[in-house]
Amino acid sequence: ETGVTQSPTHLIKTRGQQVTLRCSSQSGHNTVSWYQQALGQGPQFIFQYYREEENGRGNFPPRFSGLQFPNYSSELNVNALELDDSALYLCASSLGGTGHSNTEAFFGQGTRLTVV
Amino acid sequence: AQKITQTQPGMFVQEKEAVTLDCTYDTSDPSYGLFWYKQPSSGEMIFLIYQGSYDQQNATEGRYSLNFQKARKSANLVISASQLGDSAMYFCAMRLTGGGNKLTFGTGTQLKVEL
Repeated sequence: ETGVTQSPTHLIKTRGQQVTLRCSSQSGHNTVSWYQQALGQGPQFIFQYYREEENGRGNFPPRFSGLQFPNYSSELNVNALELDDSALYLCASSLGGTGHSNTEAFFGQGTRLTVV
Repeated sequence: AQKITQTQPGMFVQEKEAVTLDCTYDTSDPSYGLFWYKQPSSGEMIFLIYQGSYDQQNATEGRYSLNFQKARKSANLVISASQLGDSAMYFCAMRLTGGGNKLTFGTGTQLKVEL
């Protein structure tokens, strides 16, 4: 096990609602990144938080937002849910915000979100 | 922009045989890292092996080795002595140095190990 935990594991929401997903990073890791993985696809980078600041964002609209707390845990918030937001959401924790290319990212087990 | 291509949607291998999963990448950045992850049906991404763009030798981790051919921009994963527990989805990913921890993933290869 990696020490990265995500909650909840499964979630069903209605289109138009808002959702908050949570991630506890591995002890000592100060960077959390979030990914969306649609069925049959590879994960897509949403954004990254380093020491409570967003410092990298993928091609996702502003209704995807996040927070990182002083203990480095993180939240992903999605407003105005759409059917296409149905996916597995993965968070990964690592050490170092500027990025050493060999820094291993440890992933949680993911939250499976279904929007109906 | 960087891109990862995995051209094998599915692969079958017999138990105890070796298998190679293909990965090619595209980037103009000279400094990057290449990763392979295993994703069982439970969903968690399990790190397998890493290769840096300046590493002179191919990476190895137990039964996993990475066949890194920089000029061809390929980073194939070789799994030796396949086991039934190796059945899973396998993803190749790249991260640029200085690009934060953003990983760019390929579309994955579904590996099935048969008796």
